[in-house]
Amino acid sequence: EAQVTQNPRYLITVTGKKLTVTCSQNMNHEYMSWYRQDPGLGLRQIYYSMNVEVTDKGDVPEGYKVSRKEKRNFPLILESPSPNQTSLYFCASSLHSAGTEAFFGQGTRLTVV
Amino acid sequence: GNSVTQMEGPVTLSEEAFLTINCTYTATGYPSLFWYVQYPGEGLQLLLKATKADDKGSNKGFEATYRKETTSFHLEKGSVQVSDSAVYFCAHLTNAGNMLTFGGGTRLMVKP
Repeated sequence: EAQVTQNPRYLITVTGKKLTVTCSQNMNHEYMSWYRQDPGLGLRQIYYSMNVEVTDKGDVPEGYKVSRKEKRNFPLILESPSPNQTSLYFCASSLHSAGTEAFFGQGTRLTVV
Repeated sequence: GNSVTQMEGPVTLSEEAFLTINCTYTATGYPSLFWYVQYPGEGLQLLLKATKADDKGSNKGFEATYRKETTSFHLEKGSVQVSDSAVYFCAHLTNAGNMLTFGGGTRLMVKP
């Protein structure tokens, strides 16, 4: 089954404790991206990757890192999480670019206390 | 700058009512436009898209027409069902097509 898999689905952590949210897709898509969803703000793009070893900042990259060592994986890293990073996070992948249909994971709800 | 503005929800309708969710955008040029839908507890799914002016995207009874004169891409459906209850997001391509910019989302609630 074609899908985008995020882990974990839920996470509660403390300020400053490094964490990684994993994202994997099995569709051989070139383009992958991370969003955060906050009430009233819709989805805002954090980082995106056009292909392996190519990553770029989105609209809200501060406090986040990503890597794209393999085509299928695109982990999101919070080196020192803060409470303002409490949010619902979505990973998505598309065949070639942001203009082709995006397939989203089920989301990761992160709470930083 | 680039932005997408949607009508605030929630929009509450009875089954078989007519639906309109307004969406306007500001952008350089004429970017591709999209509607995505998010059902409870799930990620977003592409509902429909239009890639140039006057194009009409359609899917599952939903339609939206790319109007460059009014920079709008309003979503319509002639007869909604309870199963259409979801959050709907309007979006357009930005950054030379490398990113999607989303609106704030509009929650639709359809009552039997």
